[in-house]
Amino acid sequence: EAGVVQSPRYKIIEKKQPVAFWCNPISGHNTLYWYLQNLGQGPELLIRYENEEAVDDSQLPKDRFSAERLKGVDSTLKIQPAELGDSAVYLCASSLSLAGGRNEQFFGPGTRLTVL
Amino acid sequence: GDSVTQMEGPVTLSEEAFLTINCTYTATGYPSLFWYVQYPGEGLQLLLKATKADDKGSNKGFEATYRKETTSFHLEKGSVQVSDSAVYFCALNNQGGKLIFGQGTELSVKP
Repeated sequence: EAGVVQSPRYKIIEKKQPVAFWCNPISGHNTLYWYLQNLGQGPELLIRYENEEAVDDSQLPKDRFSAERLKGVDSTLKIQPAELGDSAVYLCASSLSLAGGRNEQFFGPGTRLTVL
Repeated sequence: GDSVTQMEGPVTLSEEAFLTINCTYTATGYPSLFWYVQYPGEGLQLLLKATKADDKGSNKGFEATYRKETTSFHLEKGSVQVSDSAVYFCALNNQGGKLIFGQGTELSVKP
């Protein structure tokens, strides 16, 4: 069974440029998550989707970040414009929602963003 | 709010040594607890989990027991190998599907 797929794996851009990350979750998983992992820290949730609906985006900086999950499968996370402080690893995870929401999340390899 | 605190790394051990990585949490209610491992250049992988008090999660020789009285979920392994070198993250999931992670503990095992 294929895992969570993310692309690109690495991205280097100059500040003020736009950037987009793509995630394909595990087949059949209805919940998709985007996490931000700064160097030397644990991941922090940016946004969570249940099917097409963003049910938790409280930590997403909406002035420059946006996300979408069309058709409830693939998802794209965008930053426009990027700032130096956005350099980090962006992780995508998916899960099959169970009652209570404490379901196992499967992570992709992440996209390492470097903003120069 | 909910939080997870792990012992700081890096932890450096010789092969076959005993490993303990401490993890404590703060949460309302009854969270599920997890240990994830991140090998160099790879994504996070679930190592083990426990969903209620006194549960013991185990996998690949690693163990952790959900201790509600001490709000802890310490990771242990009796004999580490070089291949166990990685970053280990303790995490909790209280409600709504949001995982809250500790800062991670880097483990380096020398032959």
